[in-house]
This record gives sequence, C-alpha cells and structure tokens, in this order.
Amino acid sequence: NAGVTQTPKFRVLKTGQSMTLLCAQDMNHEYMYWYRQDPGMGLRLIHYSVGEGTTAKGEVPDGYNVSRLKKQNFLLGLESAAPSQTSVYFCASSRSQGGAETQYFGPGTRLLVL
Amino acid sequence: GQNIDQPTEMTATEGAIVQINCTYQTSGFNGLFWYQQHAGEAPTFLSYNVLDGLEEKGRFSSFLSRSKGYSYLLLKELQMKDSASYLCAVSNSNSGYALNFGKGTSLLVTP
Repeated sequence: NAGVTQTPKFRVLKTGQSMTLLCAQDMNHEYMYWYRQDPGMGLRLIHYSVGEGTTAKGEVPDGYNVSRLKKQNFLLGLESAAPSQTSVYFCASSRSQGGAETQYFGPGTRLLVL
Repeated sequence: GQNIDQPTEMTATEGAIVQINCTYQTSGFNGLFWYQQHAGEAPTFLSYNVLDGLEEKGRFSSFLSRSKGYSYLLLKELQMKDSASYLCAVSNSNSGYALNFGKGTSLLVTP
C-alpha cells in the first residue's frame, strides 16, 4: 500500500515549456487535491476533484489545468510554465466528503522554472 | 473568505510544554486540522477537532472554540524530533472539503 505517490520528484523547466505532474493513490479515495507551497505563503489549493471525471478550481487555479480520468489518478498540467510557478507541489487525497476525513499527502514535487 | 493566523516561529526547550495558537475566520467551517511538516517532507496528520473542547492523543492535544474561532495545539514532553513546522488548517465545505491552511508555525526545540 503505497498511499499517495507523485511523479516526478523534481523538475527544472524553462519559461514557456509544458509539463504534467502525476498523482496516484491506491486507497480508493474519492477526493483528490493539488496544493502548492511557497515560503511564507503556506499551502494553497490549486484545483480539486470530488470524484472521477470531475474537477473544480481552488484558490490559485490560473496557469494550471487538471484531469481526473481515472479514480486513482489526478494530473496537474502546466501549459506554459512561468517563473512564478516555481514551487513545491503537493497532492492529497481523502476517502469521502466530510470534515472528519483526513487528507493524506504525497511526498511533493519540487519544480523550478527558469 | 478564509483568514487563518498562527505565529511564525516559536522556540522551546527539550522536555518542556509548548502551546501553538491558531485563530481563524471562515465560512463553511467543517472542522480544524493540525498537521506536522518536517523540512523537505510532506505534511502528516496530527489531530482533528470539529466540536468544542480538548482532544488528547499521547503527547499532543488540540483544543477548539468555535465561538471564538480559536484553536491551539499543545505539545508535552518536547523532544528534539518535534522540531518542525505545525500547520493549522480549516476544512471548508464550500470547496469540496479542501483544507485552508495557515502559514505554519516553525518550532525549534533546543537542548
């Protein structure tokens, strides 16, 4: 049981390049989330999904797109990377709706955009 | 909107007790979480409060007052390994129960 995994762990991009971050969970969780974490800013929600085939915008969605084609996977795409997207990206999942459901976090992807 | 405040940094001595406060203003409140995050690692779950009062779990306890928009995390018998960032987060029913995080409190435990 791997929990929540993220691919890649680290990536360097040039401005304007595109990439996709992959999040996978093997806990059969319905809800999945993408956050970014920047120094002095805390964790901020980018997009989230409440089930397969559904996505919704979070607090800072601009410049990102997501897809949830399979229940276990949640993809985060950057179509044209910008230096402002340099950050640590965390994926999380939870079993179902309800405040008591703990979110489990992946190990993070460190992205540097030059 | 969401507004979650916690101190930026705290220092405490090994073996002592430390209290980390968190205040929040939010709509759609559905519980408050505390997470621990060591440098370079993912956040890990510590506690959850949805009703007023104290929840105790070993050396860690968490308190919630919904009417005051206030919570604290209490760490007893501090150990060096407790040096980490402690994140206060509020669950918001208006956005898929996503967590709204404070900026975190960096705790340094000294010998």
